[in-house]
Amino acid sequence: ETGVTQTPRHLVMGMTNKKSLKCEQHLGHNAMYWYKQSAKKPLELMFVYSLEERVENNSVPSRFSPECPNSSHLFLHLHTLQPEDSALYLCASSQAYGNQPQHFGDGTRLSIL
Amino acid sequence: QQQVKQSPQSLIVQKGGIPIINCAYENTAFDYFPWYQQFPGKGPALLIAIRPDVSEKKEGRFTISFNKSAKQFSLHIMDSQPGDSATYFCAASMGGSEKLVFGKGTKLTVNP
Repeated sequence: ETGVTQTPRHLVMGMTNKKSLKCEQHLGHNAMYWYKQSAKKPLELMFVYSLEERVENNSVPSRFSPECPNSSHLFLHLHTLQPEDSALYLCASSQAYGNQPQHFGDGTRLSIL
Repeated sequence: QQQVKQSPQSLIVQKGGIPIINCAYENTAFDYFPWYQQFPGKGPALLIAIRPDVSEKKEGRFTISFNKSAKQFSLHIMDSQPGDSATYFCAASMGGSEKLVFGKGTKLTVNP
């Protein structure tokens, strides 16, 4: 496999559920990101990891919890989400922190009931 | 100051036409301006990018025009094809920063 792979592609969950989104990159990159994409809004950067350390957290509610066990894998743990959290969640990677471009996965479409 | 304003929100052209998408920014510290293309069900993919030391960059049918004094940049698609139908996002970032500031996107439809 090449590129950035996200699983699952679709997820429907209730507000009290706990689930996790997974991202894996096969590009040998050292920086990984989570973005939220909502209709008619700009992509919102949520978290940035560089060499498995979190370097940015853009005022994201604590019901979203990221985890980066190694430079190839990134998780987003979800707990007690709200209906407004329904969106496309995109993972991206880049060669190193401070470098462009960023390579995106195809996202996980999340629906909160 | 961190915003990138993109227009139009949607655009419909005939095959062979030249759609133009415009973006404007305020922060003069921005020095990297990429355009991303996103097809339905797919993530954004880098299309073309420019830095402010040049006023124009071409890659195939895609051209970025950059006006530093006006703080504007635009994407032109020459000889547009139905396969170009997608949502296009402009973005900007500052040197050494991973943070990309995105526009809201333009949905382009190219009719056969």
